[in-house]
Amino acid sequence: GNSVTQMEGPVTLSEEAFLTINCTYTATGYPSLFWYVQYPGEGLQLLLKATKADDKGSNKGFEATYRKETTSFHLEKGSVQVSDSAVYFCALSDQDFNKFYFGSGTKLNVKP
Amino acid sequence: GAVVSQHPSWVICKSGTSVKIECRSLDFQATTMFWYRQFPKQSLMLMATSNEGSKATYEQGVEKDKFLINHASLTLSTLTVTSAHPEDSSFYICSAPGGRATYNEQFFGPGTRLTVL
Repeated sequence: GNSVTQMEGPVTLSEEAFLTINCTYTATGYPSLFWYVQYPGEGLQLLLKATKADDKGSNKGFEATYRKETTSFHLEKGSVQVSDSAVYFCALSDQDFNKFYFGSGTKLNVKP
Repeated sequence: GAVVSQHPSWVICKSGTSVKIECRSLDFQATTMFWYRQFPKQSLMLMATSNEGSKATYEQGVEKDKFLINHASLTLSTLTVTSAHPEDSSFYICSAPGGRATYNEQFFGPGTRLTVL
């Protein structure tokens, strides 16, 4: 079956620190992979996505590379800001299209 | 990008009453919409797939008689929590696929927080 596993939080970093949030997946076929961000009191927003192996998604300084050999899609940012404090969800959609499977979410706290 | 709205954004009700939550795609049509439930500090759990013109498809373990879903039009899906109980208190989120121009991307509503007293 399909599933997503991501590192547990919370992750607490100082401003300008390097961020990595690990995400691995199990899937049949060729899934697309996503990172969503949820700010306090708001809904989910798409942060970035990759639709095939070796694709790199990037947005707002965040990057993630679709690694089929390691079934991973780790999220990275070189220098975090206080405004990046949020909950980050890794997700995949399978070939049935549109059915999403989410990881448990990782809360990021960035301190000034 | 495509916008999905939900109404209400929060609701408080008494145990035993029913609550209706609306999910609308504002600038696109969606023949399919999805309903999720999010528990505190946990991930989203897919509850059901709402299909315009046909019955909803429920995930294993979700009571279809308790969570009634109606896809009334190409832009509106409703979730009715019937005979609500405190354990139904949660954050309910809907989503819709954005169509060909946004291949394989889901757009999420802002969520509805339900509190059952």
